Amino acid sequence: AQTVTQSQPEMSVQEAETVTLSCTYDTSESDYYLFWYKQPPSRQMILVIRQEAYKQQNATENRFSVNFQKAAKSFSLKISDSQLGDAAMYFCASQNAGGTSYGKLTFGQGTILTVHP
Amino acid sequence: DGGITQSPKYLFRKEGQNVTLSCEQNLNHDAMYWYRQDPGQGLRLIYYSQIVNDFQKGDIAEGYSVSREKKESFPLTVTSAQKNPTAFYLCASSMGDKRIYEQYFGPGTRLTVT
Repeated sequence: AQTVTQSQPEMSVQEAETVTLSCTYDTSESDYYLFWYKQPPSRQMILVIRQEAYKQQNATENRFSVNFQKAAKSFSLKISDSQLGDAAMYFCASQNAGGTSYGKLTFGQGTILTVHP
Repeated sequence: DGGITQSPKYLFRKEGQNVTLSCEQNLNHDAMYWYRQDPGQGLRLIYYSQIVNDFQKGDIAEGYSVSREKKESFPLTVTSAQKNPTAFYLCASSMGDKRIYEQYFGPGTRLTVT
């Protein structure tokens, strides 16, 4: 079974500053995907960034980047030049790439990010 | 406009009644999923379907039932056997291909049972 742990229930950052959200996971699979999803107050889940476990290069999407440490099973999200619109709940999630359970997402507990003007 | 619709946005029911939550997608996705979200917690998988006329239990299937008669529809029934049905329910879909995993989410349904 997969588990995903987000140890920071809440984080805050000043506008234009950088913040890093932590995530650790556990899986017995060798091929899997990792995601960061954003859930703003509207509660619509939005995909922020995706990392394939077989890729060594860290994924980057504009102001969002990850630090993927496969051996440590760590997958942190860095938000640069934070904006007020980044305020949301952020979820880390893992997904097996094969087997009968492929496609299932396992979510962490979430981190509430507050952005101060 | 392609996407996932869930209706209604808010749903109120009396304890002991079954209630069905709607989820429709026009993305031509093979796979569909139902998640439950409780305050302060992440999403937990209730049921998922990788193909029409087939579905599997997720981590918290007890007290729920689903059907997948059409590719675009995956309704969730919350039965009276579900002990704590009040929650936010999210439906999602994905292409289902083993190498493409992004799940697209609907806007959710907030169910309140009193």
